[in-house]
Amino acid sequence: QSALTQPPSASGSPGQSVTISCTGTSSDVGGYNYVSWYQQHPDKAPKLMIYEVTKRPSGVPDRFSGSKSGNTASLTVSGLQAEDEAGYYCSSYAGSNIWVFGGGTKLTVL
Amino acid sequence: EVQLVETGGGLIQPGGSLRLSCAASGFTVSSNYINWVRQAPGKGLEWVSVIYSGGKTYHADSVKGRFTISRDDSKNTVYLQMNSLRDEDTALYYCARDLGNRGWFDPWGQGTLVTVSS
Repeated sequence: QSALTQPPSASGSPGQSVTISCTGTSSDVGGYNYVSWYQQHPDKAPKLMIYEVTKRPSGVPDRFSGSKSGNTASLTVSGLQAEDEAGYYCSSYAGSNIWVFGGGTKLTVL
Repeated sequence: EVQLVETGGGLIQPGGSLRLSCAASGFTVSSNYINWVRQAPGKGLEWVSVIYSGGKTYHADSVKGRFTISRDDSKNTVYLQMNSLRDEDTALYYCARDLGNRGWFDPWGQGTLVTVSS
């Protein structure tokens, strides 16, 4: 049950796009289309942003999108806004009724 | 309003026990998958446990044999019994509903802090 690998930090200027990667193995990210992404502002609970790799819950701006290629999933934030500055975590089903999270990426809006 | 509220955290010595509660409102826990996820200070999220609607339970290897998830349908509440606590169990413990039974954790509670220290 190793954590998924995310870059510790990412950044972009307002209006730009930024992509955050989430790398696992064929036993988790690569083996299932059950990858989710969560946004967490300081001292707040995580918020679901993307589920099942590409799907957006109601209320999440379409500036947020997800994708997957092989063992790596990605979250893209387009048209960066100041309120997008937060921590972002990926998660994936890892088989045998177990879930695994990534280490998290701190997104800075310059 | 769909909501989860965690309680029961506190300061506990290594080797001690603690029971966390996750009270739900706006939905029925017995019809949903409910998870516990923890976050050590300044660190990332770590999945801990899940209880399925049918009652089956599963735990991360890091807590297996020490933590037990359960629920009381009459109180619409899910519990996490934590025994043999270690320093590394210090974390903010969140409960979260798996909305689609496929890893859509939503909503999350506000968390309850467990500090294991002598």
